[in-house]
Amino acid sequence: DAKTTQPNSMESNEEEPVHLPCNHSTISGTDYIHWYRQLPSQGPEYVIHGLTSNVNNRMASLAIAEDRKSSTLILHRATLRDAAVYYCILRGFTSGTYKYIFGTGTRLKVLA
Amino acid sequence: DGGITQSPKYLFRKEGQNVTLSCEQNLNHDAMYWYRQDPGQGLRLIYYSQIVNDFQKGDIAEGYSVSREKKESFPLTVTSAQKNPTAFYLCASSMSGGSSYEQYFGPGTRLTVT
Repeated sequence: DAKTTQPNSMESNEEEPVHLPCNHSTISGTDYIHWYRQLPSQGPEYVIHGLTSNVNNRMASLAIAEDRKSSTLILHRATLRDAAVYYCILRGFTSGTYKYIFGTGTRLKVLA
Repeated sequence: DGGITQSPKYLFRKEGQNVTLSCEQNLNHDAMYWYRQDPGQGLRLIYYSQIVNDFQKGDIAEGYSVSREKKESFPLTVTSAQKNPTAFYLCASSMSGGSSYEQYFGPGTRLTVT
């Protein structure tokens, strides 16, 4: 099965950009890269997703490496509300079934 | 307001009892999912359903059962066969089961079995 690897934790100062990395060296050609974030005792919240090209939305940007073996979630100006666990997930269709594979995520701490 | 509701927020049961967790969505989504999360861990897929009256096992389906009789509802039963049922359970839905669709999550149910 495809897997994702993320650093356990990262820190950022408020109002500075944050780059959250994710390695997914076993990604297959049809797997989408999704990012979610989760606050304590809440359900995850969708952030962004992409397949091959870089993506932007109101929350963040997603930069995908040319070989698709890694990606980076970019928060352009971190705020205290961005402190959460960020999950990089591969979403694919394998052996006749759809799969969502969540890793253990990166805990982002934002310093005021 | 459109969204996913899970009830109750906290649930306590004695060992050996079956318990059913509720999940309802009014987003008109075809696909629904159940995940389990243990402390400090990521999510693991229990069951998912891409359409009414159809569902598939996820990575950790043993000891759990589901039904999908209505589009908006996807209840999860934790049976007495589940060896370690205490966990945070999350329900999600997406427009379709395809890989390009984002999931919307409910607030979760924290189940404690003693």
